[in-house]
Amino acid sequence: GDSVTQMEGPVTLSEEAFLTINCTYTATGYPSLFWYVQYPGEGLQLLLKATKADDKGSNKGFEATYRKETTSFHLEKGSVQVSDSAVYFCALAGGGADGLTFGKGTHLIIQP
Amino acid sequence: EADIYQTPRYLVIGTGKKITLECSQTMGHDKMYWYQQDPGMELHLIHYSYGVNSTEKGDLSSESTVSRIRTEHFPLTLESARPSHTSQYLCAIGTSGRYNEQFFGPGTRLTVL
Repeated sequence: GDSVTQMEGPVTLSEEAFLTINCTYTATGYPSLFWYVQYPGEGLQLLLKATKADDKGSNKGFEATYRKETTSFHLEKGSVQVSDSAVYFCALAGGGADGLTFGKGTHLIIQP
Repeated sequence: EADIYQTPRYLVIGTGKKITLECSQTMGHDKMYWYQQDPGMELHLIHYSYGVNSTEKGDLSSESTVSRIRTEHFPLTLESARPSHTSQYLCAIGTSGRYNEQFFGPGTRLTVL
């Protein structure tokens, strides 16, 4: 079945550092890929998405590129802020109407 | 996006109680989902619906049940709560576009003593 693997956390960085959170997937066909962010005590917010190979999703300074040859969708940001501290989830959607498959989440901590 | 409402936001109850978690949406989306998020943060699909009178079980076996009598509402019920049901429950809607993306409500944090 489908699966998503993302780097374990917590990841601790200083403000203005470069961020990479790795995500790889296993799926049949051509899934859509997503990054979600969860702030403490809240639900998940869709951060960015990509639907086909070489698509780049971007939002709020975050970027991720759909790499079919390496089955990856790594999340990057050039300069992180304290307000980026949260849990980040990589996810995929296969065909059909059933749910998303999530990675285990990466807790990001940004120190001033 | 869609406005998705979940009530209550927090619930602490004793073992054996019957509970219903409410989820509602305002935009008439057919696809709705329930996920269970364990204390270790992992998310697991427990129920989903394609529309009125449609309900399916998800990947993770759950003792909860759901109903979809109206498009706007997708409540989840536990007949007899146990400590093992302590978790965060997240409701989501799915869009009908090519992305198959989902948007989430704020969640209900359930604690069973």
